[in-house]
Order: sequence, then C-alpha cells, then structure tokens
Amino acid sequence: EAQVTQNPRYLITVTGKKLTVTCSQNMNHEYMSWYRQDPGLGLRQIYYSMNVEVTDKGDVPEGYKVSRKEKRNFPLILESPSPNQTSLYFCASSLLGANEKLFFGSGTQLSVL
Amino acid sequence: SQKIEQNSEALNIQEGKTATLTCNYTNYSPAYLQWYRQDPGRGPVFLLLIRENEKEKRKERLKVTFDTTLKQSLFHITASQPADSATYLCANPGRAGANNLFFGTGTRLTVIP
Repeated sequence: EAQVTQNPRYLITVTGKKLTVTCSQNMNHEYMSWYRQDPGLGLRQIYYSMNVEVTDKGDVPEGYKVSRKEKRNFPLILESPSPNQTSLYFCASSLLGANEKLFFGSGTQLSVL
Repeated sequence: SQKIEQNSEALNIQEGKTATLTCNYTNYSPAYLQWYRQDPGRGPVFLLLIRENEKEKRKERLKVTFDTTLKQSLFHITASQPADSATYLCANPGRAGANNLFFGTGTRLTVIP
C-alpha cells in the first residue's frame, strides 16, 4: 500500500532532550516536506527536500534540522526541543514537487515539557 | 508570504444540501490551488487541484472553482452526507515555482442528518 509512515505517533519529552521523528515513503517520491499544525495557525512548512541531499528551509525552520540521505527517508531532528515546539507534525511527499498532490503521514503529536 | 483565508471557521448544513466553502488569497497569484480534507487526528487527504487556466473542476460530488480576478476559490459538495463532515483545507504555493504550499486554517463542516 502506498503510504507515508511517521513514527512515533505520540511523543512526550522534556526541554533540551534531543529527539528524532522519522518519516518514510514507499512511492519513490522525489519531494518530501515537514509541516507543523497549530490551532489557529494552520499548517506551516518547516523544511522540504526536492531530492536526495537537497534540502531547504520552509517558513518556520528555527529549532529544526532535517536530512535526506536516502530517497525514501526524511527524518526531522529537534536538537534541543523547547515548549514552543509542542505541536502536531506531519510529513508529506509528492512525486515531483509542491505543485502536485501531497500524500501526508498520520502525524506525530509532540509535547515538550 | 502568501496569506490564505478561509472565511468560515465552521459551517453546519442539513444533509442533502450543497455545502459551499470559500478560500481567499492575498499577495501572489498562484498557478494552482489545492483542496484537502482532514479528519480529527489524521493527516490531510488530497481532494482536488485546479490550475489558473481552469475555471472549474469536478470530481464526483465535489466541484471547485477558481476566480483569479476575485482571488478566490469556492469548494462545493453537492448532496452532502454526514460522512462529509470534516475540516477542509485550501492551499496554494504563493509565487510561481515555489516549493512551499501555504495552507488556510480550514473550515470545519458538519452535515446534520
């Protein structure tokens, strides 16, 4: 089944403790992206990647890192999480870019205490 | 950056009626608009994409229009059903060639049996 898989589904952590949220897609998509969703603010892009080893900042990249060493994987790294990074995170992918339909993962609810 | 406004935070309609959702954008004139459905606790699911040279697009009971003069897209669900209850998001890339999708905050539709 074609899908975008995120793990974990829920994560509670403490300020400053490094964490990684994994994202994997099995559709051979070139484009992958991370979004965060907050009440009243909608979905906002954190980082995106057009291909392996090619990543770029979205609208809210501060405090986040990403890597694209393989086509299928696009992990989101929080080196030193803070409470304002408490949010619902979504990974998404598309065949070639943002001008095509995006396939979203099920989301990761992160709470930073 | 692009600003997307979905005028109604919530919309309640009677089963069988047509639901009409509005999406307005400011700043850049996008080359296309996308509409997504999001159920509670789930990732958005792509519904329709309409390009700037298309006035209207249909898919089963769904219809999307795109008015570049008014900077507006309308999303219609005809013969609405309780199963259509969800939050509907519109998105566009802002400037041409951008690899970021700007999302509205969504309209929560409730179809009352």
